[in-house]
Amino acid sequence: NAGVMQNPRHLVRRRGQEARLRCSPMKGHSHVYWYRQLPEEGLKFMVYLQKENIIDESGMPKERFSAEFPKEGPSILRIQQVVRGDSAAYFCASSNLGAGELFFGEGSRLTVL
Amino acid sequence: AQTVTQSQPEMSVQEAETVTLSCTYDTSENNYYLFWYKQPPSRQMILVIRQEAYKQQNATENRFSVNFQKAAKSFSLKISDSQLGDTAMYFCAFILISGGGADGLTFGKGTHLIIQP
Repeated sequence: NAGVMQNPRHLVRRRGQEARLRCSPMKGHSHVYWYRQLPEEGLKFMVYLQKENIIDESGMPKERFSAEFPKEGPSILRIQQVVRGDSAAYFCASSNLGAGELFFGEGSRLTVL
Repeated sequence: AQTVTQSQPEMSVQEAETVTLSCTYDTSENNYYLFWYKQPPSRQMILVIRQEAYKQQNATENRFSVNFQKAAKSFSLKISDSQLGDTAMYFCAFILISGGGADGLTFGKGTHLIIQP
């Protein structure tokens, strides 16, 4: 499967634990975006990364959230000390520079108990 | 900042009818793309159709077509001969193409389309 791969598809955490969501972009894509979708809402931009660089993190909460896209391996969205309000679907998308089209993964659903 | 507005939270039509979903957006830029994404109950985001702002011709993909009015900043989606499998959330999205690379998509809040048998 050459598409955007996200795992885990479902993740359950208790309040205060850490959540790590992974995203492998499409082959040949070096741009990764993370979005959050709350119930009954559209996707909200969180962060845009290229390999080893954060380009735009204007949509990321200032605390507890971080993202990385290392030279090797998938992009990671990390949420520390999760709270119930973090429960959402987190989507990753990738693109090839200039293509103007983002290809989405199937999303990771985080449930915080 | 760019904004995307979908004014119809929910629509319902009979199978085989034609339905139009509305979308307006606001930007001061000239170089951008517009998209319609479909999100079925599986929650996967599926690209339905895409329009480059510099193209005057409306994009068409089989039963799906758009009415792109750049001056009015309107980008509606028409689904002809609707099918039960078209039932989904539909999101209108905007992406600004800047000189340094693509920025993130801005999404509308979505329209829940229900196709009745």
